[in-house]
Amino acid sequence: EDQVTQSPEALRLQEGESSSLNCSYTVSGLRGLFWYRQDPGKGPEFLFTLYSAGEEKEKERLKATLTKKESFLHITAPKPEDSATYLCAVQAGNSGYALNFGKGTSLLVTP
Amino acid sequence: DVKVTQSSRYLVKRTGEKVFLECVQDMDHENMFWYRQDPGLGLRLIYFSYDVKMKEKGDIPEGYSVSREKKERFSLILESASTNQTSMYLCASSPWGGSYNSPLHFGNGTRLTVT
Repeated sequence: EDQVTQSPEALRLQEGESSSLNCSYTVSGLRGLFWYRQDPGKGPEFLFTLYSAGEEKEKERLKATLTKKESFLHITAPKPEDSATYLCAVQAGNSGYALNFGKGTSLLVTP
Repeated sequence: DVKVTQSSRYLVKRTGEKVFLECVQDMDHENMFWYRQDPGLGLRLIYFSYDVKMKEKGDIPEGYSVSREKKERFSLILESASTNQTSMYLCASSPWGGSYNSPLHFGNGTRLTVT
């Protein structure tokens, strides 16, 4: 059975304090790994897709990386506006177009 | 930009009522999805559809049905609402492009409370 596990569940950072969020996965035939950001009361907003081990994607203070077993979302010098829940999801070869989500990491960045 | 619109942000219904949650997307996407999101459980797939009049069960279809009569509209139906269906419901869509690797675009959700 496909599994997606995110850690930590919650993370509190001071503004400017860099850190990483982890997403470990076990799937049959990974088609893609996705990162989303979700603000309170809103739907998830797409950030990145990673397709193969070794791939990296960047957007502003965020950088996503992928290995054969896990993905990291690195946050460099975060700002309070980066506070949100970050969701990781995988698309497996036997799941069609649906995504299987982890439970998310709730990030709080304080000034 | 893709827009996925869910007709209600908040709904309060009574146990046993038939409930309709509506979702419309404006980008001519073939695929549409219904998820529910609960604290500690994350997003779980209820139903999805690859085309008009087609539907597939997700991980937790019990107590739900869906309807897709038009390409842009995907409805989730709670046949007889129960308190354990109190949740945030999220609709999403994605294009079919010959590739499986298409990100989902989400609406802002409907928070349903069943009393």
